Amino acid sequence: DIQMTQSPSSLSASVGDRVTISCRASQSISGYLNWYQQKPGKAPKLLIYAASSWQSGIPSRFSGSGSGTDFTLTISSLQPEDFATYYCQQSYSHPYTFGQGTKLEIK
Amino acid sequence: EVQLVESGGGLVQPGRSLRLSCAASGFTFDDYAMHWVRQAPGKGLEWVSSIGWNGDNIVYADSVTGRFTISRDNARNSLYLQMNSLRPEDLALYYCAKDIATSGSGTLDSWGQGTLVTVSS
Repeated sequence: DIQMTQSPSSLSASVGDRVTISCRASQSISGYLNWYQQKPGKAPKLLIYAASSWQSGIPSRFSGSGSGTDFTLTISSLQPEDFATYYCQQSYSHPYTFGQGTKLEIK
Repeated sequence: EVQLVESGGGLVQPGRSLRLSCAASGFTFDDYAMHWVRQAPGKGLEWVSSIGWNGDNIVYADSVTGRFTISRDNARNSLYLQMNSLRPEDLALYYCAKDIATSGSGTLDSWGQGTLVTVSS
């Protein structure tokens, strides 16, 4: 199975900050990498797919980059509604594994 | 608007069975692969199983292989997960999720709100 490792596991930031979350795969997954946002008590929401493509309706302050084994989710200017947990997920091969999550908290 | 509504969760004893359902609306159900993903309380996401648009291309996580069966009824716009021989470690919120593609890309673009399965004696 492909292991997905996110860093950091938690992050404190302020509104307006630029934030970067990293995700590393245990083997090359080309560009088959997705990012999800989950707020407490809610279902996950797809933000970015295929490493850098925006899902419909997602603000442009969210961006994704990377290929192979190293990927990044960047939020260019944090908004109050962005405080949540973020998960990366590989869709290169079964089983479709997720990272352990990065909890983004208000500083 | 895509809607996915799960049902069938509840409290069950170890070793017993449960069948989850997911009612889909707002899109052409038989055009898309579908998935089950679970989340144990306070934990991360774990993909469980997927099924292609026509009921083929079925795949399971190792943790549920041989115990869980995914199926779909395109005439009823419904997805199912038959869970047998349940274990305490199956305790989780089970989400139904729609694939972004027909054959199953693994990218999950819509999710239900989940149904909670509790396994305890």
